[in-house]
Amino acid sequence: DTAVSQTPKYLVTQMGNDKSIKCEQNLGHDTMYWYKQDSKKFLKIMFSYNNKELIINETVPNRFSPKSPDKAHLNLHINSLELGDSAVYFCASSKEAWQPQHFGDGTRLSIL
Amino acid sequence: DQQVKQNSPSLSVQEGRISILNCDYTNSMFDYFLWYKKYPAEGPTFLISISSIKDKNEDGRFTVFLNKSAKHLSLHIVPSQPGDSAVYFCAASVGLNYGGSQGNLIFGKGTKLSVKP
Repeated sequence: DTAVSQTPKYLVTQMGNDKSIKCEQNLGHDTMYWYKQDSKKFLKIMFSYNNKELIINETVPNRFSPKSPDKAHLNLHINSLELGDSAVYFCASSKEAWQPQHFGDGTRLSIL
Repeated sequence: DQQVKQNSPSLSVQEGRISILNCDYTNSMFDYFLWYKKYPAEGPTFLISISSIKDKNEDGRFTVFLNKSAKHLSLHIVPSQPGDSAVYFCAASVGLNYGGSQGNLIFGKGTKLSVKP
């Protein structure tokens, strides 16, 4: 009964490939997020969706595209992967945008 | 430019004593602050929060203090337990008291707490 689940947990791929990370929450929350934790351990927000609509889009390359098929899912698709994309990506959700966010366990993306 | 700073990368405390984790911020528009705890290979877990209209919030062994004039907050854990050993992240956002928040949390770099038995 995991609240926020991400798949896969680990993703190893080569430069130039396209990959997707899936996120699902069963908390009935209206807002979902994607964060990136880089090698310096900073957690930075990438995107936020509220009721399937984009509300935050930080300075992220166009190669990153979030897709929200419904309120419970926010997937992250990455085109033409680069070495600098190696990081841990966290999905999160909250009932309202101002309320505490619940995080998934992260997806560790490694680019060879 | 780091808007939320946790200047101590690590802290070691004896079991049963108090752990004090510190956080400084630069953006005076921040009006909502949160602490998260993170174990290895897991996502951050929400611990406690405080709105800028308060200066203290308590939940069991955890108390957060906010000093707006100093732009400083701290998390006190009393008594500390070995299970508290984790990385603690401070986070802040704008909008709770301004009629709308987009949930854009700005995180510090974290402090690794080790509680020794």
